[in-house]
Amino acid sequence: QQQVKQSPQSLIVQKGGISIINCAYENTAFDYFPWYQQFPGKGPALLIAIRPDVSEKKEGRFTISFNKSAKQFSLHIMDSQPGDSATYFCAASMSGSARQLTFGSGTQLTVLP
Amino acid sequence: NAGVTQTPKFRVLKTGQSMTLLCAQDMNHEYMYWYRQDPGMGLRLIHYSVGEGTTAKGEVPDGYNVSRLKKQNFLLGLESAAPSQTSVYFCASSYSPRLNTEAFFGQGTRLTVV
Repeated sequence: QQQVKQSPQSLIVQKGGISIINCAYENTAFDYFPWYQQFPGKGPALLIAIRPDVSEKKEGRFTISFNKSAKQFSLHIMDSQPGDSATYFCAASMSGSARQLTFGSGTQLTVLP
Repeated sequence: NAGVTQTPKFRVLKTGQSMTLLCAQDMNHEYMYWYRQDPGMGLRLIHYSVGEGTTAKGEVPDGYNVSRLKKQNFLLGLESAAPSQTSVYFCASSYSPRLNTEAFFGQGTRLTVV
C-alpha cells in the first residue's frame, strides 16, 4: 500500500526555471513531512521539512507548500541550477511509530544548463 | 565524525548464499533503520531498532533478519539470498525522533543476487 504518492517520476527544467514536485498522502496521522535529496551513488540527505501546523516553509531557493485539507504537499525549487540535478523523495512519518519514514517513489530532476 | 558507515559498498551473491550487511554510526543515535531502494518504489523500511538490544519489523521484513547488540551497530542478514533481494540497501539513524526527526543515511550497499 503506497501511502505517499509522488509525481512526476521525472522532470526536466531549464537553468533558472522553477521545479515543482508534488506529493499526496493518505494517512491523516502523519505529522512530519520531509524532503530528501539524493545524488547518484549517495544516500538520501534531508533537504527541508515541514509540520502540518504551517502552510509553507522556505529555506533559500527551496520551499515546501502544505495543504492539510487536500492532504498534499509540494516542493518548489526556485532558480533551478544544474547542481540541483538529483533524485528527490518526499516522505512522511508519525509519532508513536519510531518515526518510520514512508517515502514517495521519487522524482529524477534534470536541470539543463 | 564519519556519520553512518555501511560495509560493504558492493556485493554479488549467488542464490542461496548468505551475507551480513554492517551499519555503524558514531553519532550516539538511539534509532536505526534498514531500507531497501528499488527503481520506481522509493525506499521501503525492512527493519528498525529503537535502542540497543531491540529490533522490529518494517514494511518488507521477509527474508531478512537484524541484530543490534551494540548501540552503534545495526546488522542486516540475508540467510538465503534470492534474486528478488537484488537492491540498494540503506542504513539510517536518528537521535531522538520525538525531538529531531532528521534521519541520517549511509551511502548504501548495492547487492546483486544472481
